[in-house]
Amino acid sequence: AQKVTQAQTEISVVEKEDVTLDCVYETRDTTYYLFWYKQPPSGELVFLIRRNSFDEQNEISGRYSWNFQKSTSSFNFTITASQVVDSAVYFCALSKAGANSKLTFGKGITLSVRP
Amino acid sequence: DTGVSQDPRHKITKRGQNVTFRCDPISEHNRLYWYRQTLGQGPEFLTYFQNEAQLEKSRLLSDRFSAERPKGSFSTLEIQRTEQGDSAMYLCASSRVLADYNEQFFGPGTRLTVL
Repeated sequence: AQKVTQAQTEISVVEKEDVTLDCVYETRDTTYYLFWYKQPPSGELVFLIRRNSFDEQNEISGRYSWNFQKSTSSFNFTITASQVVDSAVYFCALSKAGANSKLTFGKGITLSVRP
Repeated sequence: DTGVSQDPRHKITKRGQNVTFRCDPISEHNRLYWYRQTLGQGPEFLTYFQNEAQLEKSRLLSDRFSAERPKGSFSTLEIQRTEQGDSAMYLCASSRVLADYNEQFFGPGTRLTVL
């Protein structure tokens, strides 16, 4: 069975601080995908990033970056120079590759960015 | 290109009543997913369709729940004899298969309150 653990529940930072959101996953699949979604107060889940299991290259996209380490089953997400608009709940999710790619989500991390 | 739409956005009902939700996916997306999200939790998979075929149902989907996607376009989720424990946000997502992964686009959700 697949499982995603987001140990942090709430994080509060001051604007312009960097913040890292942790995610640890469990799966028996050899090929899988990892995702981060953002859920602002409006409620709609917004896709942020996707990484497949055979590509551990870490990337930066604007203020977002991620650190995928297969050896520790972690997929951490960093927001650089946080802004008030980043305040939201962030979910890490996992799906296996192939036909049925339902998402297994963690419980989410509530990020509050104060001005 | 319009996104995933869901109707209604909010539904308040009394215990024991039946409710039906509708989801309109992004045009030409052949996969449609239903998830349920309770307060403080991540979304949990309920069921998914590929075109009009319902290919998987979660154990969370009791006999009181039924989902359809009659023409492979919009989908409905019906809950019969609602219980207070059914109170949650019901999220719909759609995707188009690309390679062996699919990026799911979520709708705004239907928030159900059972009194």
